[in-house]
Amino acid sequence: SAVISQKPSRDICQRGTSLTIQCQVDSQVTMMFWYRQQPGQSLTLIATANQGSEATYESGFVIDKFPISRPNLTFSTLTVSNMSPEDSSIYLCSVPSGRARAYNEQFFGPGTRLTVL
Amino acid sequence: GNSVTQMEGPVTLSEEAFLTINCTYTATGYPSLFWYVQYPGEGLQLLLKATKADDKGSNKGFEATYRKETTSFHLEKGSVQVSDSAVYFCALSFGNEKLTFGTGTRLTIIP
Repeated sequence: SAVISQKPSRDICQRGTSLTIQCQVDSQVTMMFWYRQQPGQSLTLIATANQGSEATYESGFVIDKFPISRPNLTFSTLTVSNMSPEDSSIYLCSVPSGRARAYNEQFFGPGTRLTVL
Repeated sequence: GNSVTQMEGPVTLSEEAFLTINCTYTATGYPSLFWYVQYPGEGLQLLLKATKADDKGSNKGFEATYRKETTSFHLEKGSVQVSDSAVYFCALSFGNEKLTFGTGTRLTIIP
């Protein structure tokens, strides 16, 4: 199993500012995923981040709002830009379990709880 | 589109009680079905899965059977322990593509 850490674990931010969330994995992985869980809602995939290429965003999410970096095979960042209270959510990163092509079997980080005032 | 509906929580049970957490899905075709669990302070992890109708996934005493007729994948355990206290998420996917999650059910087991 992969060990995934996220920083910060929680933050309270002012509207209009930006926050960068870090995700560190203890092994090299090609694909990393970023999710959002709004209060009372299910997890929603924001984007898939492959090392060495642009992230692939899901419908309803754009790079200008959620820029992603993937500088190496163990690390990724997600930035929540120009925040509003609607961005208050838990943000999670995940990686595939390692079984070949089993992208739906994933390990998740502990999440970053973001509150925007 | 695809969706997953879970039993509303929170659920509170006494130790050794029988557990059922309901999960139904809406999808075109026959997806793979999953239960993920999030223990306090930890990330979500896969608990069990089933890839076709009538398959039973099992792990750590938990079971769930893929019921095509009722489009359901209810999670059960015969005798819960305090250590089972967690948030449980039902999810589906097609092939090896992205997961669609339910909203999660918080389970608390009282000694």
